Amino acid sequence: GAVVSQHPSWVICKSGTSVKIECRSLDFQATTMFWYRQFPKQSLMLMATSNEGSKATYEQGVEKDKFLINHASLTLSTLTVTSAHPEDSSFYICSAAGTSGPNEQFFGPGTRLTVL
Amino acid sequence: KQEVTQIPAALSVPEGENLVLNCSFTDSAIYNLQWFRQDPGKGLTSLLLIQSSQREQTSGRLNASLDKSSGRSTLYIAASQPGDSATYLCAVRRDALIFGKGTTLSVSS
Repeated sequence: GAVVSQHPSWVICKSGTSVKIECRSLDFQATTMFWYRQFPKQSLMLMATSNEGSKATYEQGVEKDKFLINHASLTLSTLTVTSAHPEDSSFYICSAAGTSGPNEQFFGPGTRLTVL
Repeated sequence: KQEVTQIPAALSVPEGENLVLNCSFTDSAIYNLQWFRQDPGKGLTSLLLIQSSQREQTSGRLNASLDKSSGRSTLYIAASQPGDSATYLCAVRRDALIFGKGTTLSVSS
């Protein structure tokens, strides 16, 4: 399967600061990228879907001004958590697909964010 | 809105047992269904992907079936081993993969 990387794998930051997480598709062009969030002992919740060169589509309840998503190229998407607070502490996982439809989504290893 | 339900939420079995994990979804207009494994604190490992036109997929001791019309899938694990202990997630895709809450499996030796 295709390889998706995330950086950093874990990050600790102070409340009020912003954190950027990168998601890269290493061996294929990802026209669509997805960002998920997973709280402890919970399942993955879709936060937003982004298509290369377009604005991201956010799921209901996800603040677009707080979670800034950029998908400027076919191999890179970034999620910036702005003015992070302790309740934003979570496991953030990105996923990439070559296109919509029956194509498989490939997942990154996740980024654990802890906000103090 | 698509909803994915997994039953049971948790399961404990002795080593060697065959077991079935269940997944149901409310909207049958899907492109594919995927089963994942997640170990504590780790990312996802894809186990099986079933396209909407398929009925089942097999990989080693794992067999997944899909009945799209009834909105159901099952993951069958044969001859369970302690190393199978993990959380198993079912997800269906149309626009994006939507996940169930998972079944946490514990296999004792």
